[in-house]
Amino acid sequence: GIQVEQSPPDLILQEGANSTLRCNFSDSVNNLQWFHQNPWGQLINLFYIPSGTKQNGRLSATTVATERYSLLYISSSQTTDSGVYFCAVDGTDSWGKLQFGAGTQVVVTP
Amino acid sequence: DAGITQSPRHKVTETGTPVTLRCHQTENHRYMYWYRQDPGHGLRLIHYSYGVKDTDKGEVSDGYSVSRSKTEDFLLTLESATSSQTSVYFCAISESGTSGNNEQFFGPGTRLTVL
Repeated sequence: GIQVEQSPPDLILQEGANSTLRCNFSDSVNNLQWFHQNPWGQLINLFYIPSGTKQNGRLSATTVATERYSLLYISSSQTTDSGVYFCAVDGTDSWGKLQFGAGTQVVVTP
Repeated sequence: DAGITQSPRHKVTETGTPVTLRCHQTENHRYMYWYRQDPGHGLRLIHYSYGVKDTDKGEVSDGYSVSRSKTEDFLLTLESATSSQTSVYFCAISESGTSGNNEQFFGPGTRLTVL
């Protein structure tokens, strides 16, 4: 099946800092989503982005499908950005069966 | 927020007992999914449904069964719970079929502990 690797595994930021999270995947994808799992365990949809660039407030994401990676940018980080960020994809032969990366644990300190 | 509820939200049970988890949606989406999340891991797909009475296996389906008798409800059953099934279970839904936007939205999760 499709492999998903996220980096870095852990990230500690001071409030106000910017950061970039990376997701590499091993095959062509139909769907790529970024999620934020907050400290209460809730999975929040950030982006549906199988290709191209999107922005939502302080967050933006870019997927370069031909090179099999996606980037999530967090600007001017806030303590509420803390949590785990997951990238998930499904492949062209596994539609709908999301394969998750192991996540990036982000801690934003005041 | 997508209208997805899961029940119960927390459950403690003993090894060997049957357990059923329920996912209910108010979005009338065709596709529904069950995932499990274990410490230090992302989510892994257990089973999914592509319509009423239409289900299929995911990556980690052993020990689990599912049923979908109505569009809005998707049940996950552990016929005889084992300690290895202690996990957080998430339900997800998506609208689209085999083309187009198949963005998945997740419920709040059920924390299951098998003693």
